[in-house]
Amino acid sequence: QKEVEQDPGPLSVPEGAIVSLNCTYSNSAFQYFMWYRQYSRKGPELLMYTYSSGNKEDGRFTAQVDKSSKYISLFIRDSQPSDSATYLCAMSDDNYGQNFVFGPGTRLSVLP
Amino acid sequence: DVKVTQSSRYLVKRTGEKVFLECVQDMDHENMFWYRQDPGLGLRLIYFSYDVKMKEKGDIPEGYSVSREKKERFSLILESASTNQTSMYLCASRTTARAFFGQGTRLTVV
Repeated sequence: QKEVEQDPGPLSVPEGAIVSLNCTYSNSAFQYFMWYRQYSRKGPELLMYTYSSGNKEDGRFTAQVDKSSKYISLFIRDSQPSDSATYLCAMSDDNYGQNFVFGPGTRLSVLP
Repeated sequence: DVKVTQSSRYLVKRTGEKVFLECVQDMDHENMFWYRQDPGLGLRLIYFSYDVKMKEKGDIPEGYSVSREKKERFSLILESASTNQTSMYLCASRTTARAFFGQGTRLTVV
């Protein structure tokens, strides 16, 4: 079993749709959770950062963590064609530690 | 904003050449990382460094070496480039759990 699993997609949605992107993980020690957005031929950019369980909202983006289920989600409301990118989840067990793991990424296309 | 700068966006090198990829960060981060990213394989860690002159092997260190002479600079070296090292190379730095990436270097070995 991989440490972090993520549906690779591609996921295609119409403009304006609500998008749900998800990751599952196996290491219960993970406490810090991140979502990165990566446009084609560019480096990943940090989108959301959360600690432990709960929700965090930033504009159209909401990150949700359920540690009991080892499941994290990123919701995008009112999706736009500019949201078309690959989304990678990442997690770490320690704020300063070396154990920092990425999911393989989900490719999202938002169609106008 | 944190800035991580990689020296080149695109590089084309010949088989057998020694290749240097440079990365500089401006936020005094202790930890720096080199990844390669290939379709279907995701991000794979090559090497990382948690302090000046310190280095640790990642998951795929074979054919690579690194150098960290100054805190802000982390170099990836391909000792003798091969075609299977054609890839997107990404540098990242972090102190806390939030990692910040450079724009990537697309290396093609012919």
